[in-house]
Amino acid sequence: SAVISQKPSRDICQRGTSLTIQCQVDSQVTMMFWYRQQPGQSLTLIATANQGSEATYESGFVIDKFPISRPNLTFSTLTVSNMSPEDSSIYLCSVLGGSLASTDTQYFGPGTRLTVL
Amino acid sequence: AQKVTQAQTEISVVEKEDVTLDCVYETRDTTYYLFWYKQPPSGELVFLIRRNSFDEQNEISGRYSWNFQKSTSSFNFTITASQVVDSAVYFCALSDTNNNDMRFGAGTRLTVKP
Repeated sequence: SAVISQKPSRDICQRGTSLTIQCQVDSQVTMMFWYRQQPGQSLTLIATANQGSEATYESGFVIDKFPISRPNLTFSTLTVSNMSPEDSSIYLCSVLGGSLASTDTQYFGPGTRLTVL
Repeated sequence: AQKVTQAQTEISVVEKEDVTLDCVYETRDTTYYLFWYKQPPSGELVFLIRRNSFDEQNEISGRYSWNFQKSTSSFNFTITASQVVDSAVYFCALSDTNNNDMRFGAGTRLTVKP
């Protein structure tokens, strides 16, 4: 059974619209992260989702474009705002801690495949 | 700055061949973690191994083995007797011990042909 789930698993969206991706973990975790993987590329960290406070964004990513929520220790959302075709990617959440084997290892959700037309 | 280099973009082998995926890293940290992840065509990222910088022992898990050489800043991954199900993109990654700065290599796409 899946420990980390993401919704939706995939979507096709129109330019200019926004999509919110959900990440749900089956137990409380200390840290949650959001990554982007552009087609044929490696993973790039977007931000660390902090529970009860604003997310910490990496260079090149801003809150207006990628607002993140983390209302509790088991759930986070990433919104991709005002989308353009360049936002077509796989978006993955990852976690540290919780019921998973090690708190020193990031475990990843199944990803959300986003295509923007 | 942390950096991970996977020089092999794509590798193709025939089933039952052994294959080694190379990973070279750069870091100024004295303690750090190294990882390998597998990404099959379905897209999820599957954790394979974590190695602490102070533990240079090689590790074997079934057909998988890892060779960590601090002297050459390398953490190579060998699959013995490869199988078609091993076909995937494999990522090497490096993080500090607080997991605050995890960097992934570009990935190596392995294709195992029957």
